[in-house]
Amino acid sequence: NAGVTQTPKFQVLKTGQSMTLQCAQDMNHEYMSWYRQDPGMGLRLIHYSVGAGITDQGEVPNGYNVSRSTTEDFPLRLLSAAPSQTSVYFCASRWTSGPSGANVLTFGAGSRLTVL
Amino acid sequence: SQQGEEDPQALSIQEGENATMNCSYKTSINNLQWYRQNSGRGLVHLILIRSNEREKHSGRLRVTLDTSKKSSSLLITASRAADTASYFCATDAGTGANNLFFGTGTRLTVIP
Repeated sequence: NAGVTQTPKFQVLKTGQSMTLQCAQDMNHEYMSWYRQDPGMGLRLIHYSVGAGITDQGEVPNGYNVSRSTTEDFPLRLLSAAPSQTSVYFCASRWTSGPSGANVLTFGAGSRLTVL
Repeated sequence: SQQGEEDPQALSIQEGENATMNCSYKTSINNLQWYRQNSGRGLVHLILIRSNEREKHSGRLRVTLDTSKKSSSLLITASRAADTASYFCATDAGTGANNLFFGTGTRLTVIP
């Protein structure tokens, strides 16, 4: 069981370039999400998906696209990178905790992106 | 923003001492969770407390929740150097997709 796998771990882009951060989970979780982590800001939700074919926006979706064609994969696309997107990105998927179905996240190890 | 805030931002203690960190949040919640993040790693779930619970224990962890004050605290007893990490609270409002909203984190350093 690999859990949540993110690639790449590090990436440097120039302003205007595009790239995709990959996320895959092998736990058959329906829910997946992307967060960005910035100093002093904690983690902020970018996009999430409650199942294959279904995606929705979080708190800070501008500049990012997502798709969910399979249960396992949830890639995050930056179409035209900007320096403000320099951050550490975390993918997470969810299982439920307890009989009332509370939601606990399993995180990937993170992808550090620098936009010059 | 639905983010909570942790207090203090940073905490430094000696090994063996207790560490207490606090979380305040803004909206009504279904449950509140605490996560730990070691440097350069992803977050790991520690403990969950539901809105109808006031206190919960797990090993050396004790969590309290006061929904009237919209606040929670995490106590780590008999701290160890391996407890050095950042700690985040996360709230689940129990609505819609049950997204988690994270606080800004407390950086704990335990000095051997």
